[in-house]
Amino acid sequence: AQSVTQLDSQVPVFEEAPVELRCNYSSSVSVYLFWYVQYPNQGLQLLLKYLSGSTLVKGINGFEAEFNKSQTSFHLRKPSVHISDTAEYFCAVSDTGTASKLTFGTGTRLQVTL
Amino acid sequence: ETGVTQTPRHLVMGMTNKKSLKCEQHLGHNAMYWYKQSAKKPLELMFVYNFKEQTENNSVPSRFSPECPNSSHLFLHLHTLQPEDSALYLCASSQDLNIQNGYTFGSGTRLTVV
Repeated sequence: AQSVTQLDSQVPVFEEAPVELRCNYSSSVSVYLFWYVQYPNQGLQLLLKYLSGSTLVKGINGFEAEFNKSQTSFHLRKPSVHISDTAEYFCAVSDTGTASKLTFGTGTRLQVTL
Repeated sequence: ETGVTQTPRHLVMGMTNKKSLKCEQHLGHNAMYWYKQSAKKPLELMFVYNFKEQTENNSVPSRFSPECPNSSHLFLHLHTLQPEDSALYLCASSQDLNIQNGYTFGSGTRLTVV
């Protein structure tokens, strides 16, 4: 079974500053990794995913994430955030074998202020 | 609009009421899911359907009863709920049970049990 840990429940940051949202996973097998964003009163939207190949994955809205197998991490980064990036961000994992369901973390609230 | 529509957006019900949540997708997907999202907790997978057949019931209490009449529609029938069942209920769909493309989520139904 897999598990996901998002250690930061909230991350405050000023507009135009860089941000990193941390995600660590636990699994005994190979994994697929995902980041989702949830804006207020909305469902989850896929930001990016890692399936295989290059460990640096680029997604929508200028976000990117790097898969680090040795550290079992998949941290999300953006070099310069905007007010509109204020949202809840969820990391999720699925094993490559069954690949039939996602296990989510508890989420990180990104709060961007002026 | 994400392609997955959930109704109603908000629902307040008493513990003795019976109500239903509806989910509809026109993406041509064959797998559909119910998730429960509670504050400060990871998203909890409740049910999985593939080609209208239930493939997973994640130990959900019987007061939640899913129904999937076809690959485009998914219902969650509710009866004799408890206050701790108050949460955001999210529906999602995917092309099939292979998770590589991730899920498409609806905006959710905010349920309050009084």
